[in-house]
Amino acid sequence: EPEVTQTPSHQVTQMGQEVILRCVPISNHLYFYWYRQILGQKVEFLVSFYNNEISEKSEIFDDQFSVERPDGSNFTLKIRSTKLEDSAMYFCASKWGEEKLFFGSGTQLSVL
Amino acid sequence: GENVEQHPSTLSVQEGDSAVIKCTYSDSASNYFPWYKQELGKGPQLIIDIRSNVGEKKDQRIAVTLNKTAKHFSLHITETQPEDSAVYFCAASRGGGADGLTFGKGTHLIIQP
Repeated sequence: EPEVTQTPSHQVTQMGQEVILRCVPISNHLYFYWYRQILGQKVEFLVSFYNNEISEKSEIFDDQFSVERPDGSNFTLKIRSTKLEDSAMYFCASKWGEEKLFFGSGTQLSVL
Repeated sequence: GENVEQHPSTLSVQEGDSAVIKCTYSDSASNYFPWYKQELGKGPQLIIDIRSNVGEKKDQRIAVTLNKTAKHFSLHITETQPEDSAVYFCAASRGGGADGLTFGKGTHLIIQP
């Protein structure tokens, strides 16, 4: 069964450093998303991406965040200068159309 | 924007009994309501979804009901089994192609043997 894959599974970084979280969405999907989940809290929408541009973003997705689809398979989330409060599990998700959204297993980001 | 409330936050039931989790939403334009199951250390997995033109949907032991007038929807799990223990999230969206999901805070379902 096709799945969304994310790397790395864990990322530890120092405050102020840049991090890039990587995702390979399901191959024929057209819509790509990043969500985050702070420990013990609900899953929060960050950004959606379609046709090589951002479609929608939340208040969380400020100028420190950016997304990119550098080639036909990868989808990345970059945090330019990490803060302690960026520590969370980050989930990539994808879907084909107005259909079911599939999530990856997540990258646990720890900012020290 | 959309706001999704979910209750209860924790639900403990005896194995074999039924479990019901309830959600309400605020945006009357929302028309897509999925339910996700999240096991420890894993990403959310879609277990069932419903669109606003349908009042009920069933898949084996799992069913979802939607009351669009009252803006609430519920997840029903019958004949619960130990492997049903997980955190369950409801969500809502307008269903457009790129529309993001708004999640509830989750229900930790515990199946007591």
